[in-house]
Amino acid sequence: EVQLQESGPGLVKPSQSLSLTCSVTGYSITSNYWGWIRKFPGNKMEWMGYISYSGSTSYNPSLKSRISITRDTSKNQFFLQLNSVTTEDTATYYCAKTYYGYNYWGQGVMVTVSS
Amino acid sequence: DIVMTQAPLSVSVTPGESASISCRSSKSLLHSNGITYVYWYLQKPGKSPQLLIYRMSNLASGVPDRFSGSGSETDFTLKISRVEAEDVGIYYCGQLLENPYTFGAGTKLELK
Repeated sequence: EVQLQESGPGLVKPSQSLSLTCSVTGYSITSNYWGWIRKFPGNKMEWMGYISYSGSTSYNPSLKSRISITRDTSKNQFFLQLNSVTTEDTATYYCAKTYYGYNYWGQGVMVTVSS
Repeated sequence: DIVMTQAPLSVSVTPGESASISCRSSKSLLHSNGITYVYWYLQKPGKSPQLLIYRMSNLASGVPDRFSGSGSETDFTLKISRVEAEDVGIYYCGQLLENPYTFGAGTKLELK
């Protein structure tokens, strides 16, 4: 069974970097596409970007200068780094696997940006 | 960016009755390959989103056949027949045609 699990700090200070890990079991990240999606308070959902089976990436242009998605295939993990965060980045962050849509999601990690 | 507009933003349904949620895209989601890249997700209370429908009308694995998707190039409908208590949550449409992939604002379904 495919399972995804996000991990990382729940509180980040403004201007710092947000770093999250998605650990995948039951499926190799060297297949398909693996993305990050966030849900803001108030229910708005935003696609942030993905890393492909080959390691290529695609990012939401609204985040392009601040975001980086990388991976460690030996650990079957992929990572999100978002730089220069503000309170507007407070959200629940999900990692998800894409195959004919986002068909597997992690449980989500709530990240608050606050001093 | 492709804007996805959902209606209504909330709906109250009697169990056993049907419900429909609409989604309109600001650009055609029909690719030249014949595939329409619209998807439907449900986020149940306290849970992660789950995929219901992919490519406009295809039922995702494990999803009851009470759910169905239909539409044209820019107008899409999710229909739930015989609504059950487990269907409560927020429904989102989304597009995977072009970057940035975008979602609708969500439709909250409650029971009467």
